[in-house]
Amino acid sequence: GAGVSQSPRYKVAKRGQDVALRCDPISGHVSLFWYQQALGQGPEFLTYFQNEAQLDKSGLPSDRFFAERPEGSVSTLKIQRTQQEDSAVYLCASSLWARVNTGELFFGEGSRLTVL
Amino acid sequence: DQQVKQNSPSLSVQEGRISILNCDYTNSMFDYFLWYKKYPAEGPTFLISISSIKDKNEDGRFTVFLNKSAKHLSLHIVPSQPGDSAVYFCAGKDGNKLVFGAGTILRVKS
Repeated sequence: GAGVSQSPRYKVAKRGQDVALRCDPISGHVSLFWYQQALGQGPEFLTYFQNEAQLDKSGLPSDRFFAERPEGSVSTLKIQRTQQEDSAVYLCASSLWARVNTGELFFGEGSRLTVL
Repeated sequence: DQQVKQNSPSLSVQEGRISILNCDYTNSMFDYFLWYKKYPAEGPTFLISISSIKDKNEDGRFTVFLNKSAKHLSLHIVPSQPGDSAVYFCAGKDGNKLVFGAGTILRVKS
């Protein structure tokens, strides 16, 4: 597709449920990022992939969060046993290059997760 | 520890005038600084960047100024247009990570 595509756009989960959020990056983009944006805040880094390799997962807030990109294209962010504090917009971004030189990333529209 | 701060939550400007958005940072390891623009229900889109070794970068109506000694950068939009109304995020790049501020809502009144 022309841009980064994320699904679902909106997800409501009951506390304790598992959720999976999907990201289709721009075709051919090597780098893929997940960011979490809480209400009224800027995006916060979660994790980074270069092709299928997860090179940095320092931003994942707990071991309930897991991300994968098995074939180096589509990525899934999984949150187990969701908690209310997980409510946020989850943004996926991609970049053509392995090194993000100038910082230009292409973001998707995000998946808004609400945990009740 | 907030590495990037945008102290003005909102700014209102008359169409045709200059908009100045400010950003302060603490991390000396940032090698690039960026501004992203975000409309409601859309993802952030890249606007302009500046290397840490430069003090100014200009792209059309948008100019970013960097003052390394003060750890301060600003985005100037001249002239401001109603379509510029959006949330503007300042970010610093440390390796492959972007560290964002909380954003400033810009409203350009016609």
